Parts: sequence; structure tokens; C-alpha cells
Amino acid sequence: GQQVMQIPQYQHVQEGEDFTTYCNSSTTLSNIQWYKQRPGGHPVFLIQLVKSGEVKKQKRLTFQFGEAKKNSSLHITATQTTDVGTYFCADEYGNKLVFGAGTILRVKS
Amino acid sequence: GAVVSQHPSWVICKSGTSVKIECRSLDFQATTMFWYRQFPKQSLMLMATSNEGSKATYEQGVEKDKFLINHASLTLSTLTVTSAHPEDSSFYICSAGNRGLYNEQFFGPGTRLTVL
Repeated sequence: GQQVMQIPQYQHVQEGEDFTTYCNSSTTLSNIQWYKQRPGGHPVFLIQLVKSGEVKKQKRLTFQFGEAKKNSSLHITATQTTDVGTYFCADEYGNKLVFGAGTILRVKS
Repeated sequence: GAVVSQHPSWVICKSGTSVKIECRSLDFQATTMFWYRQFPKQSLMLMATSNEGSKATYEQGVEKDKFLINHASLTLSTLTVTSAHPEDSSFYICSAGNRGLYNEQFFGPGTRLTVL
């Protein structure tokens, strides 16, 4: 079945540093959705990318969809302690989501 | 965004008992609900897709008779873990969607199941 690889598994950054998580697939991704899960919480939708090469921004967050629709990235500029959590990408496969393994972000103040 | 509730938030039960978890979409009609299982520091594993008024579609490796899913209305889906065993202990999360209204899925707060 469809598989989405996500790296890194874990990243610990100093507050103010940038952070990036990457998703890759050997097959063409349909639509990519990004979710954030705070510790002890549930996933919350951040954004959806549909078009090849699409770039979307939400304040300090920049989301990209690769030209070949086989990869996507989430970049956070100048991390803050409120950015702590696990970031998941998910491919919309049929009517269901196939999640990447997630990247756990820890921010040192 | 839309709100999805889940009940109970946590449950501890003895081995061999059955546990029912409810998932409700509070402010929209969910044409589809999904049930996930999540182990600590791991990703969400889709267990089944539930469409209102029809049988659930289970993912490969998920036992239908073990995890009973009912989607009786557009706002309620239930997951029953039958004859629970310690290895069923996990975090169960539901999500709800309506493709005519939203692109994304809205997740419930999850249920922490511990089987002794």
C-alpha cells in the first residue's frame, strides 16, 4: 500500500533556530496534509497542499509540495516553545489518510 | 474548525471484558469517521473507515470481530474492543470528515485504554 516516509524522527532545537521536517514517497502523492499533535493531545490540521510545486505560508510556517509530488516539507522559522509537538504529514489516499511516522520537535528556551 | 468529542477519555478494564468508545461530531454531519490506534511516540495507524449506514472497511491486519465499529448516525460512531487483552492497551483516536464541507479530518481527543 501507500507509504509515506518522514524524517527526521526527532529534533531538538534551541529557541530561535529553524526547523524542517520532510516527507517522501516512492510514488506520486495525491494531496498532502500536515497535522500537529501537541504532547498529550490529538492531531490538529494545519494545511493541505494539492498542486505540484505549491508553497503556502502560515506566519512562521512554510509548507512546500515538490514538483514531482513525491515529497513535501514543513519549515518553521525562528522556533518558539509553543511549536513543541509532533508534526505529521499525511497523504490523502482514496478517502483516507496515510500518515508519516511524524517528527517530534523539542525546543530549548 | 469543527469539533469532535470522544468518550471516555480514558478507561481501565480487566482482561476479557469489552470496552465501548464513542466518537461524536458536535457541529457537523460526518459522512465518514475513521478509527486510529497510536502507540507512544509513534504514528497513527488507521484501523478502519466507517461510513454512516454501512459496514466499516477494515485495514489489513485488523480483526473485524475484535474491533466492532458501528456508525449509526451522521454524528456518532462507536468502537467496541471485545474481549480486551493487555496487548490492546493503546491510545485510540477517532476522526470525522465530510468531503462536501471540509478537506481535512477533525480528530477527537482520544481514548487511553489500559487492559490489566
